[in-house]
Amino acid sequence: RKEVEQDPGPFNVPEGATVAFNCTYSNSASQSFFWYRQDCRKEPKLLMSVYSSGNEDGRFTAQLNRASQYISLLIRDSKLSDSATYLCVVTRSGGYNKLIFGAGTRLAVHP
Amino acid sequence: DTGVSQDPRHKITKRGQNVTFRCDPISEHNRLYWYRQTLGQGPEFLTYFQNEAQLEKSRLLSDRFSAERPKGSFSTLEIQRTEQGDSAMYLCASSLHNEKLFFGSGTQLSVL
Repeated sequence: RKEVEQDPGPFNVPEGATVAFNCTYSNSASQSFFWYRQDCRKEPKLLMSVYSSGNEDGRFTAQLNRASQYISLLIRDSKLSDSATYLCVVTRSGGYNKLIFGAGTRLAVHP
Repeated sequence: DTGVSQDPRHKITKRGQNVTFRCDPISEHNRLYWYRQTLGQGPEFLTYFQNEAQLEKSRLLSDRFSAERPKGSFSTLEIQRTEQGDSAMYLCASSLHNEKLFFGSGTQLSVL
């Protein structure tokens, strides 16, 4: 079993839709949590960190449930430019040391 | 361009050949990481350096793989006797201490 599990998708949604991605992690000692975005044939880039209290950045909202070992990402008012693969990431220590990536969830936003 | 740079961008080689990749991190960054990504998967941690010291190696890094960062600046990743299963994107990233990682564009390796 992989340490970080995600639904691979693809999620095909129209512009303006709200879409939610889920992720589970198996190591209860995981300390830090992130969502990364990766465009096709490009490097991954940090989208946002995820905090226990939940956090929002514009149209993006991330939630963490430590008891269930579950992380979510909500995208509101989807744009064509949101089309990408979204990678759920955890670390076993605080900060960014040794990131452990999920396989990613692919999102395709269509007109 | 002051980001992380990797060279070459693409490498095609025959099975059994040796290949070497180079990574130049952001200049003030003391940590350098190597990851490998295969199609449909997320990046997998291979190894990381703090300055010139290699602090951790994944069990994914077999004896055929060796990484160096001799002067604490650029790093090289060498794969000896390549196998078809080595075909992947090799990503380098750097950071200042335990802060945000910045990834390079990667080296795409194809082993025929």
